Amino acid sequence: DVKVTQSSRYLVKRTGEKVFLECVQDMDHENMFWYRQDPGLGLRLIYFSYDVKMKEKGDIPEGYSVSREKKERFSLILESASTNQTSMYLCASEPQGRPQHFGDGTRLSIL
Amino acid sequence: QQQVKQSPQSLIVQKGGISIINCAYENTAFDYFPWYQQFPGKGPALLIAIRPDVSEKKEGRFTISFNKSAKQFSLHIMDSQPGDSATYFCAANLVGNTPLVFGKGTRLSVIA
Repeated sequence: DVKVTQSSRYLVKRTGEKVFLECVQDMDHENMFWYRQDPGLGLRLIYFSYDVKMKEKGDIPEGYSVSREKKERFSLILESASTNQTSMYLCASEPQGRPQHFGDGTRLSIL
Repeated sequence: QQQVKQSPQSLIVQKGGISIINCAYENTAFDYFPWYQQFPGKGPALLIAIRPDVSEKKEGRFTISFNKSAKQFSLHIMDSQPGDSATYFCAANLVGNTPLVFGKGTRLSVIA
């Protein structure tokens, strides 16, 4: 079974902090994605990566950056956390040609 | 053109009834249409998917109906059960290696 593991289920941080969300997949998938999920807004793509050291902006990249130094790991970075970044963050991976597999999410609260 | 519009936003169905969720798209280059199911506290999981060369795909109680000319596709859940209560997302993407475009989700509640 494909396993996408997000390092924290719940995280509480303060405004202005630099926040790291980690995601690891164990199936040697080429593609990895970060989404945020908010009620009524569905899943919105923040960043994605099709290969190590490559990254592409999604629909809402402002305030975020990513890092992919190894194929299995994709990190989302909030450079200076703000309260409007309180959300559920979902990581996903896929082999080229689908389907996409999701982690169980990190619920991030920025106080 | 990149949007996928999903309706309804929420749905309440009696146990044993049929649940129907609809999605519409504009981009005729979309060639893959998956549905994801998400339970509370979990990430979405692939439920069933279809390509535009077929009009229907069935897996157990779940059926995707696809209407290429109308640019619509729908999920039917037959004999709906309380365990089907979840949020359902439709999605689509283009030929080649491109990200999925998701609908905004439908929260389904199946009541006994």
